[in-house]
This record gives sequence, structure tokens and C-alpha cells, in this order.
Amino acid sequence: QVQLVESGGGVVQPGTSLRLSCAASGFTFSSYAMHWVRQAPGKGLEWVAFISYDDRNKYFADSMKGRFTISRDNSKNTLYLQMNSLRADDTAMYYCARAWVPYSGSYNFDYWGQGTLVTVSS
Amino acid sequence: QSALTQPASVSGSPGQSIAISCTGTSSDVGHYNYVSWYQHHPGKAPKLMIYDVSNRPSGVSDRFSGSKSGNTASLTISGLQAEDEADYYCSSYTTRSTLVFGTGTKVTVL
Repeated sequence: QVQLVESGGGVVQPGTSLRLSCAASGFTFSSYAMHWVRQAPGKGLEWVAFISYDDRNKYFADSMKGRFTISRDNSKNTLYLQMNSLRADDTAMYYCARAWVPYSGSYNFDYWGQGTLVTVSS
Repeated sequence: QSALTQPASVSGSPGQSIAISCTGTSSDVGHYNYVSWYQHHPGKAPKLMIYDVSNRPSGVSDRFSGSKSGNTASLTISGLQAEDEADYYCSSYTTRSTLVFGTGTKVTVL
């Protein structure tokens, strides 16, 4: 069955960096675009970034552009989110999500991980 | 990119119909027919309920329907059931190749 397992969250100070990972299994990872979505405590969903199945295209939400980098290693079935210059308002649960149609740039999600919590605090 | 605007809460009695609006701009909701709706029970993964404005994924009840007019999309839940109580989020692809979610609506079944 499809599984997405995030890791790498934790408590960090403002201005520092963190790298999140999302280990995928149960499907052909290299065939699917992937996304990161976050949810701050008590707030709604916020889209973070997209990476195409072939790593050719990457897009970011405005507030993350220039600070966050998305990447993937199809040989390891793993998605990454490198977060730099972290701010208090980056505090959130971060989810990886699979685009629901293979070989597409779909922005619809059919599977989500359980999330990894990032807390930015001094 | 500002979040799409949804009402904070909507409620209805079992069997009734409710509608949730999702208002964006000409750069997102109004530009493409790429509006989706997710049902989110706290502690569980969001579930895709509607995609491309009005299409239902396989397995989603036909009590859920979507529509769009101009910069506003809507999700209608008919024959409201207790299990429909959840948070609902719209989302839209944008002209900048990004995605924007709505502010979220808490649906309460009275």
C-alpha cells in the first residue's frame, strides 16, 4: 500500500536551517510529482512546494521562495524539503503529498504522510 | 498569494443541504477550472472530494457536488450526514504555477 513517512522535524531557532525527508513506498515514486503542504497550529492548509516526477520543474509559494528548496532522489524513493532562514511563522506540521495522476503536473493529492512538526522558537 | 476566502463555519441538520463558497481572483479560481475540495477530519489525512471544479474521484459520494461562477467556486453537500462533519478546504491552481488553499470551513451537523 502507498505510504509516505516524513521525518526531520524538530525545534530550531530562528534563522537556522532544517531538512525534511519524505520516504515513499508502495508505488513507483519516480512516476509521480510530489508536493509539500503545511499547517500551522490552529490554522488552515498552506501549499509549500511542488516538484515534477522527473525533477525538471519546481515551484514554491511566494513566502517560501528563496528560502526553501525541494528535491527528490528517485533512486532512494525520497522527497526532501530544505528550509533555510527559518522564521517563527514557519512553525507548522509539514506534510508530503502525492500528485494523484502519474506523469502529470497535477496539483491534486491522493495520499498524504502523517506529517512532521517543525517548531521555530528562540 | 492570499488564501482563497471561505466562510469560517457552516452548519445544517441531517438530511439538509449546505453550500460552502470559495472566493478567489481572476488569477486563480476565475482563470482555470482547476478548483478542488478536500475534506479534513482532524488527525487524519485530507481527502480529495472534488477536482476540476465538479468532478468526483471514484468512491466519493454523489452527495458532494461542485460548481463555479466567475471567481467563486462552491461545494454543495446534500443529504447531510453526521460523518460529513469536518473541515473543508478548497484549492485552486494559479497563473503562477502555484497552488492556493482556501481559509477552511468547519462544517457542523446539528
